[in-house]
This record gives sequence, structure tokens and C-alpha cells, in this order.
Amino acid sequence: AQKVTQAQTEISVVEKEDVTLDCVYETRDTTYYLFWYKQPPSGELVFLIRRNSFDEQNEISGRYSWNFQKSTSSFNFTITASQVVDSAVYFCALSERSQGNLIFGKGTKLSVKP
Amino acid sequence: DAGVIQSPRHEVTEMGQEVTLRCKPISGHDYLFWYRQTMMRGLELLIYFNNNVPIDDSGMPEDRFSAKMPNASFSTLKIQPSEPRDSAVYFCASSIHLSNTGELFFGEGSRLTVL
Repeated sequence: AQKVTQAQTEISVVEKEDVTLDCVYETRDTTYYLFWYKQPPSGELVFLIRRNSFDEQNEISGRYSWNFQKSTSSFNFTITASQVVDSAVYFCALSERSQGNLIFGKGTKLSVKP
Repeated sequence: DAGVIQSPRHEVTEMGQEVTLRCKPISGHDYLFWYRQTMMRGLELLIYFNNNVPIDDSGMPEDRFSAKMPNASFSTLKIQPSEPRDSAVYFCASSIHLSNTGELFFGEGSRLTVL
């Protein structure tokens, strides 16, 4: 069975701190895709990144970076020098080629205080 | 390009009333998904369509919920009769070519409150 676990329910940091959001997944498929979505207070779901199971290279996009490790079934997300605008709920999600939908974790609420 | 469009954005209704939520997917997308978000259960898939045909409706809570996709540009999610526990944000999402990546594009959601 497929599952996504985000063990951190809420995280609070002070602006300019680095913060890492954890994501652990379970799947039986050898081909799958991992995602991070951001849900700001306004409520929409914003796509951040997609990673496929064959590409374990870490990715950096500005202040955001992602660490994908198949050995530990983890896909962690780090925000460097956090800003107040980063305050949101962040969801990790899994898509299997044999399935037709995204399976979401419960989300991590990040609060960045000035 | 317009994104996924949902209506209404907010709906307040009384228990027992019928509720219809609407979704217009991104043009050219061949998959459409209905998700429900609650504090307790997070984001749950209710149903999804491929080329207007329902593929998996195992997430639909019960017979009070029904979804249709009469054409490629329109889908509805209906709750009849509604109950207070149906209060949630309902998201519609669309995607293209499932065999590629499964990336979903979400609408802004419809917040339903059943009194």
C-alpha cells in the first residue's frame, strides 16, 4: 500500500532560520513520482517540485532545496533563510504509475515569525 | 491560460439541502480529480475521471455523493442530502497524460459549510 508520512505537524521558526520539512513515503512501485505542494493561508495548492524515482539528484531552486533518498524512502524539503512569506502548509505527495491520483501526506504547517 | 476554475468559492447551506459544486478543468487536460480537505483527514481523493469516464470512485464517502463529467470541460460534484460532516474544502484538479508524471493542477477550492 502507498502512504506518505509527514511527521512534523507544525514548525515555528524565526525569519532567516533554515528549516527542513520531512517526508517519508511507502510504495511497491519501482516507478513513482514525488511532489511538494504549498498551501498558503489563501488556500490554493501551489505546485513546487516533482521528482521521479529514477532521479536521486538533489535539486536547488533559490532558497528551496530537496533531498531525495531512496535508501530511506525520504524526500525532504529545506528552506534556507526562511521568510515570513514562506508561512504555509506544505504537503508532500506520491504518485504511482499504476494509480491515477496523488496521495498526500497530512501536511506540515510552517510559521515563520519576523 | 486559465487554470482550473471552481464554483462556488463559498457555499453555506442547511442540512438536508442539495449542494452542487462545479469545475472547469484546464483545456486539453484529460484527467480530472475531486479532492476533499478537512482538518481531521487531510486531502482525500473522492473520484477521478479519464476522458470523461469515472475511473476510481472508491473515495466517495457514500451514496449521498455523486459526480459527473458530461464533457471534457465541465464536471460536477453533488451532495444530496448534505450533512454537517460534509463541511470541507472541495478541490478540483486536472492533469494531462497520466503516464508521464501525475502532476495535478488545482483549482482554488470550494469551501462548503453545512449548518
